[in-house]
Amino acid sequence: GAVVSQHPSRVICKSGTSVKIECRSLDFQATTMFWYRQFPKQSLMLMATSNEGSKATYEQGVEKDKFLINHASLTLSTLTVTSAHPEDSSFYICSAQDSPDTEAFFGQGTRLTVV
Amino acid sequence: AQSVAQPEDQVNVAEGNPLTVKCTYSVSGNPYLFWYVQYPNRGLQFLLKYITGDNLVKGSYGFEAEFNKSQTSFHLKKPSALVSDSALYFCAGSGAGSYQLTFGKGTKLSVIP
Repeated sequence: GAVVSQHPSRVICKSGTSVKIECRSLDFQATTMFWYRQFPKQSLMLMATSNEGSKATYEQGVEKDKFLINHASLTLSTLTVTSAHPEDSSFYICSAQDSPDTEAFFGQGTRLTVV
Repeated sequence: AQSVAQPEDQVNVAEGNPLTVKCTYSVSGNPYLFWYVQYPNRGLQFLLKYITGDNLVKGSYGFEAEFNKSQTSFHLKKPSALVSDSALYFCAGSGAGSYQLTFGKGTKLSVIP
């Protein structure tokens, strides 16, 4: 199956700094990618839909100025957590699909810890 | 609004016994339905999907699921559970032609040796 690579898998940062997470589709072009946040023992919460060449669409309650999404090419989307705080600590997961009737492929996830 | 429900937070089954993880959906039109598995600190791995066609869908690692339109269900099954099947399972759905997935809350499967 297709591969989606997410990097880094783990990151620890100081409060107030920014962290960038990359999501790459390695063997297909993804016009649309998704960013999720997962709290312990909970389901995935959709944060935003990342569209290549245009602005991301954010879900209600997600601060677009805090979670910056850039989808500069058909194979790369980035999520930048700006001015991170301890409450931003979480597991972030990206996914990509090449069409609506195919399965989504997920990155390995990024464990962010803000200290 | 569409929704996907997994009524069980946890399912325990003895190794070698059949397992079922339940999922019901509420999606307008013809649904696209998926099952994913997640191991600790990892992303989701695709198991199987229903788009159209046969109601019984076979997937990876011996798993299968049956699409039941009248009961709006898409339960995941396996005839003989393995200890290595222990993980978190997510059911997800979308409307036809839509990229956006709605996930169930997840069901933790524990297979007891």
